[in-house]
Formats: sequence, structure tokens, C-alpha cells
Amino acid sequence: QSALTQPASVSGSPGQSITISCTGTSTDVGGYNYVSWYQQHPGKVPKLIIYDVSERPSGVSNRFSGSKSGNTASLTISGLQAEDEADYYCSSYTSTYTYVFGTGTKVTVL
Amino acid sequence: EVQLVESGGGLVQPGRSLRLSCAASGFNFNDYAIHWVRQTPGKGLEWVSGISRDSGSKVYADSVKGRFTISRDNAQNSVYVQMNSLRPEDTAFYYCVKRGPAADRYFDYWGQGTLVTVSS
Repeated sequence: QSALTQPASVSGSPGQSITISCTGTSTDVGGYNYVSWYQQHPGKVPKLIIYDVSERPSGVSNRFSGSKSGNTASLTISGLQAEDEADYYCSSYTSTYTYVFGTGTKVTVL
Repeated sequence: EVQLVESGGGLVQPGRSLRLSCAASGFNFNDYAIHWVRQTPGKGLEWVSGISRDSGSKVYADSVKGRFTISRDNAQNSVYVQMNSLRPEDTAFYYCVKRGPAADRYFDYWGQGTLVTVSS
């Protein structure tokens, strides 16, 4: 149950697009379309922003989008805004009926 | 409104036990799996354990297997995790999380968390 690999930090200017990668294996990310993404602002509880690789819950901005290729999933934030500055975590269901989270990525808006 | 309220956290010595509770409301509790996720202060998320709607399936992270036991009481809309043989590395905020509907595999609601500190 090794954590999924994410870059420690990603930054961008307001209005730009950024992409966060989430790399796992064929027994988690690559094996299922059950990748989800969570946004966590400092001192707050994580919030679901993407599920099933690319689905957005009601109320989540369409500036957030998800995709997957092989063992790597990606979260793209387009039209970056100051309020997007937060930590982002991916998660995947696994072949052992468990779940694994990513190492987390800190997004900074320059 | 969906609410998940954790309780039972605190300071405990290594090797001792603690039982966390999660009281749920605002949804049909019997229809959803519930999980526990923990987060070391200032660090990342770690999935800990989960229990199915009818308690027929219970799963654990390798890091807690054999030490933690998850259970639920559908009559009380509550989930519990009994944590035995606690270690300093178990120190974390523990979140009770609701899984999505049916076959979904994501966590759509999170509690505010309860802090467990394992230290002598």
C-alpha cells in the first residue's frame, strides 16, 4: 500500500492552467476508473472535487477536470484563481479492496 | 445536511488503547459504507479502514491491521474504531468519511476530525 506519487508543489499565475499528476500502479490507478481528487485549504477538511477519474460533484467549478492514462491520473485546474491555493490529494481504489491516497501537492498561485 | 461527528480522541500512552466514535446524521446511514482516514498534523492523508453497510465487509490498511477494529451500529447511526497497541506513528487527526453511493469508490463527506496523540 505505497502512497501514490504526486509532485510536492505546483505553481501558476492567475488565469493560467496547471496540471497535477498522480502516479500509481496497475493494481490501483491503472486498474480501475476509481480515481478521486480532494482539495484541502489550510485548517480545513478535505473536499471532494473529482471522482471516477473525471466526474465533478455538483457545485464544483468546471475549471477542475480530471483524466487518466495508464497508471497516471491528472488533475487540471484552468483559469487559476487565488482561491485555488490549497493542497490537493488524489486517491484510488485498489485490487485489495482498500484505498490509497497520493502524497499531496501544494498549489501556489503566484 | 450530512453530518459526521467524531469523538474519543485524546492523549494516550504507547501500547494503550482508544476507541473513536463517529455519529452520522442527514442521510440514510444504513445505505452507505463508512471509512476512517487519518492525517498527521501538517502532512498527508492516509486511508485507515472501512466498513460496509451491513458490516459484512471490513478492510484495513496494512499499518493498522491486527491492531484496529472497525464496527458500526446502524440502530445508532454510528461507526467506531477500536485502536489497540497504539504507537507514536498513529498520532494524527482521524476523519470519519462517508463513501459515495452503491458501487462508488470515493469519499463525499468528511467529519471535522478528532486528534489522537500517542506519547509518553
